[in-house]
Amino acid sequence: GENVEQHPSTLSVQEGDSAVIKCTYSDSASNYFPWYKQELGKRPQLIIDIRSNVGEKKDQRIAVTLNKTAKHFSLHITETQPEDSAVYFCAARFGNNDMRFGAGTRLTVKP
Amino acid sequence: EAQVTQNPRYLITVTGKKLTVTCSQNMNHEYMSWYRQDPGLGLRQIYYSMNVEVTDKGDVPEGYKVSRKEKRNFPLILESPSPNQTSLYFCASSFAGDEQYFGPGTRLTVT
Repeated sequence: GENVEQHPSTLSVQEGDSAVIKCTYSDSASNYFPWYKQELGKRPQLIIDIRSNVGEKKDQRIAVTLNKTAKHFSLHITETQPEDSAVYFCAARFGNNDMRFGAGTRLTVKP
Repeated sequence: EAQVTQNPRYLITVTGKKLTVTCSQNMNHEYMSWYRQDPGLGLRQIYYSMNVEVTDKGDVPEGYKVSRKEKRNFPLILESPSPNQTSLYFCASSFAGDEQYFGPGTRLTVT
C-alpha cells in the first residue's frame, strides 16, 4: 500500500548549523507534499508545502526540495535556532485526500 | 477566530462503552479528516470527508465510524472501544485538501 518513510528519526544539531530531513513515498501519482512541525503538547502546524510540478520552494530559513523521479523530498532548515526544536512530519497525498504521514523526526537544536 | 475544536480533550473509558469525539470547524472548509497519533508511528489517517455526506476510509479505519451531516461537524464514533484504540486523536480541516488545520487533540484511554 501507499506509505511514506522518513529519516532520521532523531536529529541533534548545534545552533546555527543546518538540518536536513528526508522522506520517500511509494506512489508516483502523489501530487502534494506538506511538512508539519509539532511542538511538545501542541497540534501539528504546516510550515511549508510543495506540489509535484515544482522542484524546490523556499521560505526564509526553510526550504523543501522534491525529486519526482526518485520519489523523495527533503526539508532543509538553515541557521537553526533553539525554537526550531520540535518533531517534524513529512506527508504525501495519495488520491483525493488520502494523506500519509512519515513517522516523524525529533529535532533538537543545542544552544 | 478561525479554528478547529474537539471535545472532549481528555477521556478515560472502559472497553465496549460507545463514545463519540466531536469535531467542529468554522472556516467553511469542505475537507475534514481524523487522525490518530501513536509514538513512533506518526499520524495515521482514520477517515476523511470531502464534503457533506461524502466520507472515505483512510489508512486505519477499523473500529471507527464517522458521519458528515453538516459541513462544519465531523464526529468520530467508537462503537465498542478496545485498549488498542488508546491514542491521541486529531481532527483536521482544509479548504481543498491542501494545508490542514488541526484541532487541539483528544487523548483517549481505553481500559
